[in-house]
Amino acid sequence: AQTVTQSQPEMSVQEAETVTLSCTYDTSESDYYLFWYKQPPSRQMILVIRQEAYKQQNATENRFSVNFQKAAKSFSLKISDSQLGDAAMYFCAYGYSGGSNYKLTFGKGTLLTVNP
Amino acid sequence: KAGVTQTPRYLIKTRGQQVTLSCSPISGHRSVSWYQQTPGQGLQFLFEYFSETQRNKGNFPGRFSGRQFSNSRSEMNVSTLELGDSALYLCASSLGRGYGGYTFGSGTRLTVV
Repeated sequence: AQTVTQSQPEMSVQEAETVTLSCTYDTSESDYYLFWYKQPPSRQMILVIRQEAYKQQNATENRFSVNFQKAAKSFSLKISDSQLGDAAMYFCAYGYSGGSNYKLTFGKGTLLTVNP
Repeated sequence: KAGVTQTPRYLIKTRGQQVTLSCSPISGHRSVSWYQQTPGQGLQFLFEYFSETQRNKGNFPGRFSGRQFSNSRSEMNVSTLELGDSALYLCASSLGRGYGGYTFGSGTRLTVV
């Protein structure tokens, strides 16, 4: 079974600084997708960034980028120029693209605090 | 376009009762998934529907069930509620297999007393 591990329950960063959130996963599959979701106090899960496992190039979305290391099964999220609005719980998620396994497996989350 | 809509936002039920939660996906999305979120267990997959068919089911007891209608709207039902069913129930929709990511609703907060 696939598992996703986020080893940092909480992180903090100063406004305008850079922070990196860690995520490792375990799978025997070669073709899959990885996601970072953000959940602010409003509770809605918001997709931050996605990475396709067959692509070697790391995904980037504005101030958000990932460091995808397929062999190491590592998928970290870097937030540059942190803003107060980035404060939220961040979840790493794995999705297998084959068979009938239509679901996401989530890590336990990292609570990010942004200090002014 | 409108996002994923879940109703109601909050619900308080008594142990032993049953409850039905509703989810309207983004227009054009045919896949609807349900997740349970608790502080202890985190986010756990309940089930996924596509074109009115359940394609995948998580490891939950039979008290948890769901269905999807021809307009892609979905409902989940929990019968004989237990205190441990208190959770945030999140619905997510996607176009197909979710490659582009799932869009989540704001959830229904269920409290069982």
